[in-house]
Parts: sequence; structure tokens; C-alpha cells
Amino acid sequence: NAGVMQNPRHLVRRRGQEARLRCSPMKGHSHVYWYRQLPEEGLKFMVYLQKENIIDESGMPKERFSAEFPKEGPSILRIQQVVRGDSAAYFCASSRHGTVTDTQYFGPGTRLTVL
Amino acid sequence: KNEVEQSPQNLTAQEGEFITINCSYSVGISALHWLQQHPGGGIVSLFMLSSGKKKHGRLIATINIQEKHSSLHITASHPRDSAVYICACDGLTFGKGTHLIIQP
Repeated sequence: NAGVMQNPRHLVRRRGQEARLRCSPMKGHSHVYWYRQLPEEGLKFMVYLQKENIIDESGMPKERFSAEFPKEGPSILRIQQVVRGDSAAYFCASSRHGTVTDTQYFGPGTRLTVL
Repeated sequence: KNEVEQSPQNLTAQEGEFITINCSYSVGISALHWLQQHPGGGIVSLFMLSSGKKKHGRLIATINIQEKHSSLHITASHPRDSAVYICACDGLTFGKGTHLIIQP
């Protein structure tokens, strides 16, 4: 039973390029969460998605960031025109029921470096 | 907005010591989660608490809903317990983490 998969594990982009981060939830999980961890800071919630729906995007920056979770395939976090401040570790997590009492299972993270 | 505070920020202890990590929050919640982040970066969920106390091996977690406070205890600590321990309110608002180092 594979855990949450994220790819790539490491991503290097130059300023102005696009970054696409992928997250495949655990089998049987239809709820996906994205978090960002800046260097020397804690985890910050970005967005919560269910299949084909964005449920809560209150933590997403207003510009350049978008997320989707299509009916088929992984969830994708997309960052357009990256800037140095986007350099961080991006984690996704999945859960079965999507409730606050539900255990979230985390992926290994994608480390984004913007040159 | 829920303000989540963890203490201590950093903790170094000797193998075998009893460890306590604290988490306080400002707004009432339905559930508090304790997470462990390993030096390699991987994150593992340790506990979900709605009330009372839970125990798993050498780890014990308690929560006082009225006082908006939770504690994570590690008994007979071991170097492999060295990690960052993070509390999360309703799974969405996180403390900054406690960096724990257990020396042999």
C-alpha cells in the first residue's frame, strides 16, 4: 500500500519560470492538502482539495499560485513566474474522510529552489 | 486566526530523560494533531486528540480543551527520537515546532 507520492523531490527553477509540483494521494484517499515550509519557519496551510473541487484556498497567495485535483491523475500545485521567495519545501498530505479529526498522511515533499 | 505557540523551541537532553513539549492555542478547536518531522524532512502523524490522553509506545499526548493546551511526553528518550515535533490545530494551523536532540 504505497504512501503519498510527490514528484519531483527536488526542483530547480530560474526566476520567471513555472514550477509544477505533483502529489498522488494514498489509495482510497480523495482529500489532498498542500503546505509550504519556508526555511527556518513552520508549516503553512495553502489549499485543501477534493476530487475536482477546491474546498479551501485561504492559504494560497493571490497571484501566481494555483492548484487542481482532477478526476484522474495527481493533484498539481502550479507556481507561475517563480521568484526567489518561493524557494521552500512543499508538502502534500492526503486523508480518507477530510474531517479535522482525520489523520493526514504526508508525502516526502518537493524542495523548490529558485535561482 | 488561531495563534499556536510551542515551547520550548529547542531542547537538548540526555538519553533516558523524560521529555515534555508544550503547545498552546488561542481559539477553540475540534482536534489537535502532533507531528514528527525527521532530519531528512519526512513528516509523520503521531497523534490526533479531541480530549483526554493517548499513549503509543513511549509517547504520551494529553490535551486540556478548557485551557487550550496540549503536551507531548516522551519517556525513556532515545537518540532516534531526535526530530522536530509540531502541533497542528484542526490539522491546518501549525506551531513552529520544537527541535529535540537526544544525546547518547
